[in-house]
Amino acid sequence: GENVEQHPSTLSVQEGDSAVIKCTYSDSASNYFPWYKQELGKGPQLIIDIRSNVGEKKDQRIAVTLNKTAKHFSLHITETQPEDSAVYFCAAWTEGGSQGNLIFGKGTKLSVKP
Amino acid sequence: EPEVTQTPSHQVTQMGQEVILRCVPISNHLYFYWYRQILGQKVEFLVSFYNNEISEKSEIFDDQFSVERPDGSNFTLKIRSTKLEDSAMYFCASRPSGRNTGELFFGEGSRLTVL
Repeated sequence: GENVEQHPSTLSVQEGDSAVIKCTYSDSASNYFPWYKQELGKGPQLIIDIRSNVGEKKDQRIAVTLNKTAKHFSLHITETQPEDSAVYFCAAWTEGGSQGNLIFGKGTKLSVKP
Repeated sequence: EPEVTQTPSHQVTQMGQEVILRCVPISNHLYFYWYRQILGQKVEFLVSFYNNEISEKSEIFDDQFSVERPDGSNFTLKIRSTKLEDSAMYFCASRPSGRNTGELFFGEGSRLTVL
């Protein structure tokens, strides 16, 4: 089945710096890769996603890149702000089973220091 | 904006007791999911549900677990006889019909503490 690896597990940056989180996946059939932000005590919130027919997608300060050949995708946050502090999860949509499901990475705890 | 709602937000129970966690998915969604997150760990798939039956379940989802859609709006997860290791956050998620890629919308979660 699909396996998603995520690095680093913790990341600390200064406000205004960029943050990059990387994920790899194992199932070449996976075709959808969302990123979720989870604040303390809350559920995962979708912040950006990318489908396998696209190499890069950007939404204001957040961008995601996908390399299908290497089976890895990355989240880039520019001009980080303290409110970006949270746990970020990458995920891969696998078509296994009758309707598929999301397999998550282990998460990256991002701390943005003012 | 429509959202997935879950109750209770926190439940404390004794080992061996039955627990029911409730979810109200977004109204026009037809695919439903339960995920679990043990404290500090990743979000793990438990079960998916469509058309009033389980589509897929993980190895975590053993005979102690069951899901049900008792009416047109609720989607429940039942744990028959809770164990200490069932302590976790349980997230319900749903997604729109007609699409086979996983843009899941998650609820805020139900924290289960088994003593």
